[in-house]
Amino acid sequence: QVQLVESGGGVVQPGGSLRLSCAASGFTFSHYGMHWVRQAPGKGLEWVAFIRSDGSVKFYPDSVKGRFTISRDNSEDTVHLQMNSLRAEDTAVYYCAKDVPVAYFDYWGRGTRVTVSS
Amino acid sequence: EIVMTQSPATLSVSPGERATLSCRASQSVVSNLAWYQQKPGQAPRLLIYGASTRATGIPARFSGSGSGTEFTLTISSLQSEDFAVYYCQQYNNWPPWTFGQGTKVEIK
Repeated sequence: QVQLVESGGGVVQPGGSLRLSCAASGFTFSHYGMHWVRQAPGKGLEWVAFIRSDGSVKFYPDSVKGRFTISRDNSEDTVHLQMNSLRAEDTAVYYCAKDVPVAYFDYWGRGTRVTVSS
Repeated sequence: EIVMTQSPATLSVSPGERATLSCRASQSVVSNLAWYQQKPGQAPRLLIYGASTRATGIPARFSGSGSGTEFTLTISSLQSEDFAVYYCQQYNNWPPWTFGQGTKVEIK
């Protein structure tokens, strides 16, 4: 069965950096795009990053562009989110999600919590 | 960017009753719309894609309809496990992939 397990969350000061990871299993990872989606406390869902199956295409919303970088290692079945210049408004639970070819998200991990606070 | 608007924000329903949730897109998304269910402390779960196709393992009491800019998620007879927050998401024009703000279905 498909499993996505996020890690790397924690508490970081404003301006700091954090690297999230998502370990995938149960499907042919190298065949699918992957997303990161976040949810601020008590708020809705916000898409944060996408990477194509081969890593050649990446997209970000304006809210994180230039600060966040998505990457993947198809030999390790993992996807990462490098987050730099973190702000209080980046505080959220971050989920990785498997892409149904550039469409919706059919499987989600349980999330990892990021808190940006001094 | 396509803005998704859900209504109502909160829906109070008794177990066994029907629940009808609405989602509106700021421009046509054809039928490229998905619905997700999220329970407290859990990840979202895919319910519906293509506006009306149930995902694997989703009970028949969940149904989706609509096209263009107006969509509906109907839960025909609410069970205790259905009380949750529901989100719509468009995947017609991306990036960005955009979600509605959610509808909370609570026990009346």
